[in-house]
Amino acid sequence: NAGVTQTPKFQVLKTGQSMTLQCAQDMNHEYMSWYRQDPGMGLRLIHYSVGAGITDQGEVPNGYNVSRSTTEDFPLRLLSAAPSQTSVYFCASSYSGLVNTEAFFGQGTRLTVV
Amino acid sequence: GENVEQHPSTLSVQEGDSAVIKCTYSDSASNYFPWYKQELGKGPQLIIDIRSNVGEKKDQRIAVTLNKTAKHFSLHITETQPEDSAVYFCAASPTISNFGNEKLTFGTGTRLTIIP
Repeated sequence: NAGVTQTPKFQVLKTGQSMTLQCAQDMNHEYMSWYRQDPGMGLRLIHYSVGAGITDQGEVPNGYNVSRSTTEDFPLRLLSAAPSQTSVYFCASSYSGLVNTEAFFGQGTRLTVV
Repeated sequence: GENVEQHPSTLSVQEGDSAVIKCTYSDSASNYFPWYKQELGKGPQLIIDIRSNVGEKKDQRIAVTLNKTAKHFSLHITETQPEDSAVYFCAASPTISNFGNEKLTFGTGTRLTIIP
């Protein structure tokens, strides 16, 4: 199993450009989420999904869109990139059950907006 | 919402000594407390977790303690080794019925350096 795969690993965007960060998991996990990691701020939840067709906002959703058309994929879209979105982005997935289970993280996408 | 504070932000210990990282949380509904280790250039990886019905849990050189009354939990690493050098994150989450892994609220991280 590949686990959680994120692409690309690095990206530089100009202000105002749009792009999609890809996330795919092959563990048949229902629950998927996107975090951003900034120095001194830990990981903050952007959006999450508890299953195909269901998404919801996290702590810092502004400027980002998500969709979940399949169990495997959970792309994150930046509609109009801003310098404040310079960060490292992590996708995570976990099994959905009645008890908290381990979240598996991808290797991250380092995004720079100039 | 939940707020998780983590201390210290950096920690250096001599190889073989113990390291302790502490976290406090604000939401009394939180009942799941994982610890993640993040090595350079990689995503966080779960190293140990504890649920609110348990006060302490050990896994070889790593232990976690939980005090629900005081709303704090700690990570203890004994006999530290160079490969323990990494950034460690604590997190807290409630469990809500019908769904599984709920939204994790992370601490701000501790950069642990083991000095050979």
